[in-house]
Amino acid sequence: TQLLEQSPQFLSIQEGENLTVYCNSSSVFSSLQWYRQEPGEGPVLLVTVVTGGEVKKLKRLTFQFGDARKDSSLHITAAQPGDTGLYLCWADSWGKFQFGAGTQVVVTP
Amino acid sequence: DAGVIQSPRHEVTEMGQEVTLRCKPISGHNSLFWYRQTMMRGLELLIYFNNNVPIDDSGMPEDRFSAKMPNASFSTLKIQPSEPRDSAVYFCASRIDSNQPQHFGDGTRLSIL
Repeated sequence: TQLLEQSPQFLSIQEGENLTVYCNSSSVFSSLQWYRQEPGEGPVLLVTVVTGGEVKKLKRLTFQFGDARKDSSLHITAAQPGDTGLYLCWADSWGKFQFGAGTQVVVTP
Repeated sequence: DAGVIQSPRHEVTEMGQEVTLRCKPISGHNSLFWYRQTMMRGLELLIYFNNNVPIDDSGMPEDRFSAKMPNASFSTLKIQPSEPRDSAVYFCASRIDSNQPQHFGDGTRLSIL
């Protein structure tokens, strides 16, 4: 069973545009993490969110955790070609772990 | 700092052969995860260990797959016999504790002919 629904599957945008990736579930998470993966490498952690309603910023990236702790979003402002990669959400639902299917983001100059 | 070390990086073998993938987690990390990544199914959790004990192996696809962690610094994932549908990138990850980041190795790209 798919714990997490991640959308969209693919995003292609121009440099300077904004984008948002979503991660949703019907289950409540104890914590959620966002990772970015580049070809030939393992995923690398971007952020961990734990508290409902939490907002974290990492330079041009903004992460939100829903009040009910069932959903999260990743927003990138003024995307750059270096933001290209596979963005993955990972959720811990009290000992049950799962990655979302991933969103492939391509930012063209 | 040494990260998670996986070996081999690439393996190509014929179906029916036994395959053993190896992982050395980061020293001091208490949890170890094995994942499989394919285009069709994304990143799937196969099994995870806490303090060398398997906690959840519900993601292990079938009896052909087995994983061991004989000590805190080493784990293996074995497939016997291997089949073409096992072709994927297998990742190992470790972390200190819950809510802490998982640190991934570079993966083993496995091709079963």
